[in-house]
This record gives sequence, C-alpha cells and structure tokens, in this order.
Amino acid sequence: EPEVTQTPSHQVTQMGQEVILRCVPISNHLYFYWYRQILGQKVEFLVSFYNNEISEKSEIFDDQFSVERPDGSNFTLKIRSTKLEDSAMYFCASSEDWEISYEQYFGPGTRLTVT
Amino acid sequence: AQSVTQPDIHITVSEGASLELRCNYSYGATPYLFWYVQSPGQGLQLLLKYFSGDTLVQGIKGFEAEFKRSQSSFNLRKPSVHWSDAAEYFCAVGAPDTDKLIFGTGTRLQVFP
Repeated sequence: EPEVTQTPSHQVTQMGQEVILRCVPISNHLYFYWYRQILGQKVEFLVSFYNNEISEKSEIFDDQFSVERPDGSNFTLKIRSTKLEDSAMYFCASSEDWEISYEQYFGPGTRLTVT
Repeated sequence: AQSVTQPDIHITVSEGASLELRCNYSYGATPYLFWYVQSPGQGLQLLLKYFSGDTLVQGIKGFEAEFKRSQSSFNLRKPSVHWSDAAEYFCAVGAPDTDKLIFGTGTRLQVFP
C-alpha cells in the first residue's frame, strides 16, 4: 500500500540554524500539507500546497517557514532560523483529490529538537 | 471558527469490552468529521470520515462513529476492543471552504488483558 514517507525521523539542531524536513507524498496525490504537534499538545495545521503554490497557511506559518516541491516527488518544509519553540513532531500529509475524497494521508513524522 | 473537543484525555478498558470515545465540535454548518489513530512511532491513520449522507459511518478495524447534529458530536465506538487498539485517537473537523483539518487534543486508549 502506498504511503507518505518522511526523512529524517529525528533531527537535532541548534537554535538559529536552518533545517529542511523532507517528505515524499503518495505518487498520484495533488494536495500536500504540513502539520506539527508540540509535545503534549494537539496536532496543528501549518500549510497546504496545491498546484505549486500555497493554498492556505496558519498564523504559525510565518516568514521563517517555507515550502517547496523541488522535483515533482519531494515536498519540503524549511525553517530558516529555528527557535526553541519550533521543537515538535512535524507531519507531512497528502491527498489525491481533497474535494472528492476528503482524505489526507499522513507520514510517520519528523521529530525536530532545537537546542 | 471551527474547534474540536475531546473531553477524555485517557481511557482504560479491558480487552473485549466496548468502547466509546467522545468528540464534540464547533462549526456553523455541516462539518466534515474524521477520526484518526496514532500508534507509537507511527503517523496518523484515517479510521473513518463523515461529510454527508448516513450519519452512522463504518470505518476500518471494526470502528464506527455516529454524527449527531443536535449534540454537535461525532463519537467513535467499537463493540469489542482488542489489545492492538491501544493507541492515541484524534478527532478532527474540516469544512467545505478549506482543506485544513482542526484536531482535538486526543484520547489515549489503554487496553488491559
């Protein structure tokens, strides 16, 4: 069964450093998402991406964050200058056609630890 | 604004017992409603969804949920729990004009043999 994959599974970085989290969505999917879950808190929406542009973003997704689909298979989340409060589990998700299926498939997550 | 409340942080049941996990939502129109399960070290797996039609929906792994508009609820049920059902369960709400999901805080299910 096709699945969303994410690398790395765990990333440790120092405050102020840039990180790139990578995701490979399911191959025929057209809608892509990033969510995050700070330890002990709820899963929060960050951004949705469709047709090579951001379709929606949350207040969390400020200028420090960016997303890219560089090569037609990967979907990346970049944090330019990490802060301690960026420590969280980051989930990538994809959907074949959201407006028909209303299904988002999630990856296993990347745990980001900012020290 | 949409919101989701899962009143139970932690539930413990015996294997073979029935299960009901509660979810209440806040949304002005008919929402899209979802239940996801997260096992340790795994991503979120979709159990079932509701967006229209029959208010009782069947999902994978023997789960079902019922949409009750009058109570703004979408509770998840299973008649007989298996030890492998131990996990964290998340209720989520969406809406027709957006593809973002709003999640509840989750309910951790523990199953005793």
